[in-house]
Amino acid sequence: GAGVSQSPRYKVAKRGQDVALRCDPISGHVSLFWYQQALGQGPEFLTYFQNEAQLDKSGLPSDRFFAERPEGSVSTLKIQRTQQEDSAVYLCASSLGFGGVAYEQYFGPGTRLTVT
Amino acid sequence: AQRVTQPEKLLSVFKGAPVELKCNYSYSGSPELFWYVQYSRQRLQLLLRHISRESIKGFTADLNKGETSFHLKKPFAQEEDSAMYYCALNVNNNDMRFGAGTRLTVKP
Repeated sequence: GAGVSQSPRYKVAKRGQDVALRCDPISGHVSLFWYQQALGQGPEFLTYFQNEAQLDKSGLPSDRFFAERPEGSVSTLKIQRTQQEDSAVYLCASSLGFGGVAYEQYFGPGTRLTVT
Repeated sequence: AQRVTQPEKLLSVFKGAPVELKCNYSYSGSPELFWYVQYSRQRLQLLLRHISRESIKGFTADLNKGETSFHLKKPFAQEEDSAMYYCALNVNNNDMRFGAGTRLTVKP
C-alpha cells in the first residue's frame, strides 16, 4: 500500500471546538500508535491499539482526548473543547506485530492542528 | 523516570567530516533504543535499532550501559545526511519515548 495516511493534513480550530483526526494504517498492521509532537520537541506517546483494543492510553493528556479503532483498522483521535496548548502535530504510526520492539513503526505524515 | 536526552538541538559539519549525534537515556530496566530520522518534507522513519547491531547508510550506534548513552556516528558525513534525528527509548513494549531531536546540517 501507500503507507500510513492521515487526514486532514492541516486543521485550524477555534478554542472550544471539537476536532477529529483520522489515521489509516498500513493494511494488515496489528498495532497502531498516536503521538503528539509540539513545536521543537520530539513525538510524545499518547495511546496504543492492538487491533481494536486500546491497550495503553497512559499518554493522553486529559479526558478531552479520546481515541478509537472500532474495527481494528482506521483510527480516530478526537479532541473535545480544544485549547491552545493542544496545538501540535499529531502523528499516527502502525506496525505489523505487537508492540514497538520487534516490529518497525511506520509513521504517517501527521496532522498539524492549530487552535486559535 | 524514563527519558531520552539529546543535548544538541543543532549540529553542523562539513561534508566528509565525522559526525556524532549524542543521546543519553534514563531507564531502570534493560533498554531498547532506536534512532529515527526525518528528512526534509518526508515522514519520520526508523534509521536503526541497537538490537540489530546494524549499519544503515554508514551510521552506527553503540549502546553504552555504563554511560547510559546511544550516540549515533558516521565517519564521513554526506550532504544527504542533513535531517532531523531523534533518539528513542522503548518502554513497556509499546510506549516509545523520543528525545527532542538534533537537526544535522552537512555543509558542502
